[in-house]
Amino acid sequence: SQQGEEDPQALSIQEGENATMNCSYKTSINNLQWYRQNSGRGLVHLILIRSNEREKHSGRLRVTLDTSKKSSSLLITASRAADTASYFCATDTNAGKSTFGDGTTLTVKP
Amino acid sequence: DTGVSQDPRHKITKRGQNVTFRCDPISEHNRLYWYRQTLGQGPEFLTYFQNEAQLEKSRLLSDRFSAERPKGSFSTLEIQRTEQGDSAMYLCASSQTGGFEKLFFGSGTQLSVL
Repeated sequence: SQQGEEDPQALSIQEGENATMNCSYKTSINNLQWYRQNSGRGLVHLILIRSNEREKHSGRLRVTLDTSKKSSSLLITASRAADTASYFCATDTNAGKSTFGDGTTLTVKP
Repeated sequence: DTGVSQDPRHKITKRGQNVTFRCDPISEHNRLYWYRQTLGQGPEFLTYFQNEAQLEKSRLLSDRFSAERPKGSFSTLEIQRTEQGDSAMYLCASSQTGGFEKLFFGSGTQLSVL
């Protein structure tokens, strides 16, 4: 079974609105990463947050991490139609590999 | 283009045939990963290499699957006696050890088993 679970499974918003998606995981982690995937393509790395960090920003992206609750959130501000994609969280443990959740499908309507 | 490349992009095969996929990672990356993804699901770990050594193989991977990275550069993933359940996107990714495992993905090989 997958380590991470994203919520919601699907999200539809208007251009200009903010999009928030959440990720919960089960075991202790070293890092948590967010990736984006356009339909039929590979995944693109967005942002990494280490287990000793609580918040990180990159452009219009804001990621938070709460290790006590084993959860993370990804906020995309001022969304654009081009942000339409699937977003996955991935957790890194000492096992040496990243384990992905099943993703949130974001649709941004122009 | 110096990203991760996968070949072929699409493969259609009949049940029972063998198929082989190739992945060329970013040249300075010493780790190479194979994932499988089905529609509506996240990538599922299959196996990974550090240089030419295969360090881990998923228990989900049957003995019909084999992966190699003979010189620590490109890798191949072979599926023998394909089944319809093998239909999926096969993704390759590479990373540099010590780079906090930020993965760079290829565009994948879409396998359809008829």
